[in-house]
Amino acid sequence: GNSVTQMEGPVTLSEEAFLTINCTYTATGYPSLFWYVQYPGEGLQLLLKATKADDKGSNKGFEATYRKETTSFHLEKGSVQVSDSAVYFCALRGGGADGLTFGKGTHLIIQP
Amino acid sequence: GAGVSQTPSNKVTEKGKYVELRCDPISGHTALYWYRQSLGQGPEFLIYFQGTGAADDSGLPNDRFFAVRPEGSVSTLKIQRTERGDSAVYLCASSPRAGTSYNEQFFGPGTRLTVL
Repeated sequence: GNSVTQMEGPVTLSEEAFLTINCTYTATGYPSLFWYVQYPGEGLQLLLKATKADDKGSNKGFEATYRKETTSFHLEKGSVQVSDSAVYFCALRGGGADGLTFGKGTHLIIQP
Repeated sequence: GAGVSQTPSNKVTEKGKYVELRCDPISGHTALYWYRQSLGQGPEFLIYFQGTGAADDSGLPNDRFFAVRPEGSVSTLKIQRTERGDSAVYLCASSPRAGTSYNEQFFGPGTRLTVL
């Protein structure tokens, strides 16, 4: 079946640091890949997506590239801000399933 | 426009009781999903509706869980004989349509269920 593995948190960085949150997946076929974000006190929001190999999703300075050869979809941002503090979830849809399969989430804390 | 809404926002019940959780999807969205998120975990898929019918209920953990969407809009998740292990945040999401490779799901704020 489908599965998503992402790095454990919390991840604590200083403002303007470079961010990488690793995500790898297992799925049959060609899944679509997503990063969702949950800000404190808010619901899940789609951050970015990629639907085929080598696609790069980007939004709000965040990027992730769909790497089929390494089954990865790592999230990166060049310079994080305090407002980026949130829980980030990597997810996939595919392998015959309509629902999303999520990782456990990574809590990101940005200190001023 | 209005997003996905869920009621109640919090529900506390006793072990063995019956509960209903409601989801109002975004108007016009034909696909509706239920997920369960336990503390420290990512959301886990429960069931997916396309219109009025449950197209995939493979995530329902057992027969105490049931969901309906009689008119293809509002959905109700029903849990019978609740157990302490059912305590979690129950999330609802809707999508304009399903069956396409790009399928953004819009999530509601969730219902936090606590079973004492």
